[in-house]
Amino acid sequence: AQSVTQPDIHITVSEGASLELRCNYSYGATPYLFWYVQSPGQGLQLLLKYFSGDTLVQGIKGFEAEFKRSQSSFNLRKPSVHWSDAAEYFCAVRSNFGNEKLTFGTGTRLTIIP
Amino acid sequence: DAMVIQNPRYQVTQFGKPVTLSCSQTLNHNVMYWYQQKSSQAPKLLFHYYDKDFNNEADTPDNFQSRRPNTSFCFLDIRSPGLGDAAMYLCATSSYGTGVREAFFGQGTRLTVV
Repeated sequence: AQSVTQPDIHITVSEGASLELRCNYSYGATPYLFWYVQSPGQGLQLLLKYFSGDTLVQGIKGFEAEFKRSQSSFNLRKPSVHWSDAAEYFCAVRSNFGNEKLTFGTGTRLTIIP
Repeated sequence: DAMVIQNPRYQVTQFGKPVTLSCSQTLNHNVMYWYQQKSSQAPKLLFHYYDKDFNNEADTPDNFQSRRPNTSFCFLDIRSPGLGDAAMYLCATSSYGTGVREAFFGQGTRLTVV
């Protein structure tokens, strides 16, 4: 069964500092991987996705993520965070055959301090 | 703009009184998901449709039912809501076979049970 682990429940970063949010997945083959962001009381917005090819993917709002098959990881990074980046971040994995199930990690809450 | 629309945004229902949440999409996607998200938790998949094929998660209570009368609409029925069913309910769509693998989310319906 597919699963996603986000080991950091809460991260606090100073505005302007760099950010890395960790994500590890479990899946029998190369999965489809996603990062979503959620502001309070809102739905989920896609930041970026990985299906195949270049393992470093660029997303919206200056985010990027790197797929590392050897580590089963798909960590999210941003070189300089802004106060508006404060939100909940979810990593997700989707099966690439069969019933299209989409599974989320437990999320990482990002707090930005001035 | 093509999108996923959930109605209502906020729903208050009485304990034990059946309630229906609705989701519509203009994306013509063949996959639709229903997630339950409780406060500070990850979205939990309840079920999803792959075209007309219904996929129920093993741990989804029987109290939760779903209908998808056509491609555009999907409904979540809670037959006898309990206090523990208070949550945000998220609808999402995706596509299979067209290269669109990411899920698009609605804004969610916040359900309160009194």
